[in-house]
Amino acid sequence: DAGVTQSPTHLIKTRGQQVTLRCSPKSGHDTVSWYQQALGQGPQFIFQYYEEEERQRGNFPDRFSGHQFPNYSSELNVNALLLGDSALYLCASRQTSGRAMNTGELFFGEGSRLTVL
Amino acid sequence: RKEVEQDPGPFNVPEGATVAFNCTYSNSASQSFFWYRQDCRKEPKLLMSVYSSGNEDGRFTAQLNRASQYISLLIRDSKLSDSATYLCVVTDPGTYKYIFGTGTRLKVLA
Repeated sequence: DAGVTQSPTHLIKTRGQQVTLRCSPKSGHDTVSWYQQALGQGPQFIFQYYEEEERQRGNFPDRFSGHQFPNYSSELNVNALLLGDSALYLCASRQTSGRAMNTGELFFGEGSRLTVL
Repeated sequence: RKEVEQDPGPFNVPEGATVAFNCTYSNSASQSFFWYRQDCRKEPKLLMSVYSSGNEDGRFTAQLNRASQYISLLIRDSKLSDSATYLCVVTDPGTYKYIFGTGTRLKVLA
């Protein structure tokens, strides 16, 4: 049973460029969340997708956008990259159907480490 | 005030010691609480959920104090392999967000 998979694992971009990160949730999971984790900090919530819609959003600018596909996989897009966007981007999935939205274990992928030069 | 606050540590303890971490949260309506463990440069993984009555899993005990809005994690008989960052997680009842603390670093010394 594959867990949460993310790609790419590492990437380097320059300021002003755009990046797309990809995530496949754990089998049976329908909800995907994205987090940004800077060095020495806890994961910061970016947004959450359920039924192909953005359901909740954290305090991130519109440069951060996403998408969820019918197979529940998801993408995170960041435009006009800034140096401060350098971080580990974590995708997490869980099953929501039949449960309350805010319960259940989050399963994380290994993350995509983005460096902006 | 931050939504979830933790002492970042580091906590350096000898093998066999007992160590406790606290975490405070700001939203009194929060309903679900967790402790996650994160090893260096790895993804967070669930250590244990925290229930109102308190719960224990081997050497680990989690407790919730709703009146004071804090949760705690107690680790008994620390092992070298317990060295990691421990993240406190609280769910927001209005938005379904899982809110993470900054994490507490634990280093168990031989």
